Amino acid sequence: GDSVTQMEGPVTLSEEAFLTINCTYTATGYPSLFWYVQYPGEGLQLLLKATKADDKGSNKGFEATYRKETTSFHLEKGSVQVSDSAVYFCALSIEGKLIFGQGTELSVKP
Amino acid sequence: DGGITQSPKYLFRKEGQNVTLSCEQNLNHDAMYWYRQDPGQGLRLIYYSQIVNDFQKGDIAEGYSVSREKKESFPLTVTSAQKNPTAFYLCASSHLTGNTGELFFGEGSRLTVL
Repeated sequence: GDSVTQMEGPVTLSEEAFLTINCTYTATGYPSLFWYVQYPGEGLQLLLKATKADDKGSNKGFEATYRKETTSFHLEKGSVQVSDSAVYFCALSIEGKLIFGQGTELSVKP
Repeated sequence: DGGITQSPKYLFRKEGQNVTLSCEQNLNHDAMYWYRQDPGQGLRLIYYSQIVNDFQKGDIAEGYSVSREKKESFPLTVTSAQKNPTAFYLCASSHLTGNTGELFFGEGSRLTVL
């Protein structure tokens, strides 16, 4: 069935370090792909999305490119801040359903 | 401001009691969803509804019930049949037409069974 796999956390980085969180998916059709972010004690917020192959989603310095050939949607940021500490969820949407990965916790230290 | 409101934020329950979590949205969204979040397991879909007076089971519906009497409201009842109800519960909503899958989430309700 359709599924999303993320790299396990927690990921701990120093401020201004480069971030990559890996995400791969399995889907029978042509899904849209998303990254959601959850700050402590809150619900999820959409961070970025891509609706077709080779699309790049970007927001707040984060980027992810929809790679159909490798079925991946890795999240990157060139220089993380303490305020980026959160849990990041990769997700795919297909046939009206949203399927989430297990989440990756990011902790950024000053 | 438009958004999704969940209440209560924290809830404690004794074993054997039913509890109801509230979810209200003023975004005029057709679809509403309930997810359960457990550490290390991501989000799992409990129930969803695409239209008033209709709803479908998600992946883990056992021990839960919902109703959709109004477009704005989608309450979730955690019944005594749910074996492990302690979790963080998230309500979400979305458009149906032209929707590529973006969901809008509430801030969640944390249920603890004592």
